[in-house]
Amino acid sequence: NAGVTQTPKFQVLKTGQSMTLQCAQDMNHEYMSWYRQDPGMGLRLIHYSVGAGITDQGEVPNGYNVSRSTTEDFPLRLLSAAPSQTSVYFCASSYSPGMSQAFFGQGTRLTVV
Amino acid sequence: DQQVKQNSPSLSVQEGRISILNCDYTNSMFDYFLWYKKYPAEGPTFLISISSIKDKNEDGRFTVFLNKSAKHLSLHIVPSQPGDSAVYFCAANAGGTSYGKLTFGQGTILTVHP
Repeated sequence: NAGVTQTPKFQVLKTGQSMTLQCAQDMNHEYMSWYRQDPGMGLRLIHYSVGAGITDQGEVPNGYNVSRSTTEDFPLRLLSAAPSQTSVYFCASSYSPGMSQAFFGQGTRLTVV
Repeated sequence: DQQVKQNSPSLSVQEGRISILNCDYTNSMFDYFLWYKKYPAEGPTFLISISSIKDKNEDGRFTVFLNKSAKHLSLHIVPSQPGDSAVYFCAANAGGTSYGKLTFGQGTILTVHP
């Protein structure tokens, strides 16, 4: 049972490049979400999904897109990377709408130069 | 506007003593609260949660207290162990249309000295 798998673990992008952060879970969880962690800011919600085909914006959605075509996968797309998007990104999934016992991936450390 | 606040960036405790981590919130719609623990280079892991219909929840060495009138919750770890050294985040969920969304505090770095 792999839990939540994020790829890549590290990435360096140039300003203006685009990329997709991958997130996959094998627990058949309906609820999935993406967070970014910045120093002194805790984790901030970017986008979330309550099931396949249903996504919504979180606190800091600008510059990011998501889609949820399957229950297992929830990729996060950076459309045109900016230095302000340098951060550690975490994907999470849960069976519970209250996100009780949410499982987090190990994170993707992204640097935009 | 920080809806969930952890005002102590760090806490240092001796092994065997009690660790108390605090969290305040401003959104009265929050009805479910969680604590997560995070080690360096790893994702957060769920620790304990509490519903707003309760004022206390225990799980082994960990107890979470909720004071709704003060919009305050705390995590007590007794006895503290060196392996508890990590960053602790409190988080909240407002239920209803906010299902699937967690609002996190800034985190508190706990160091337990042997």
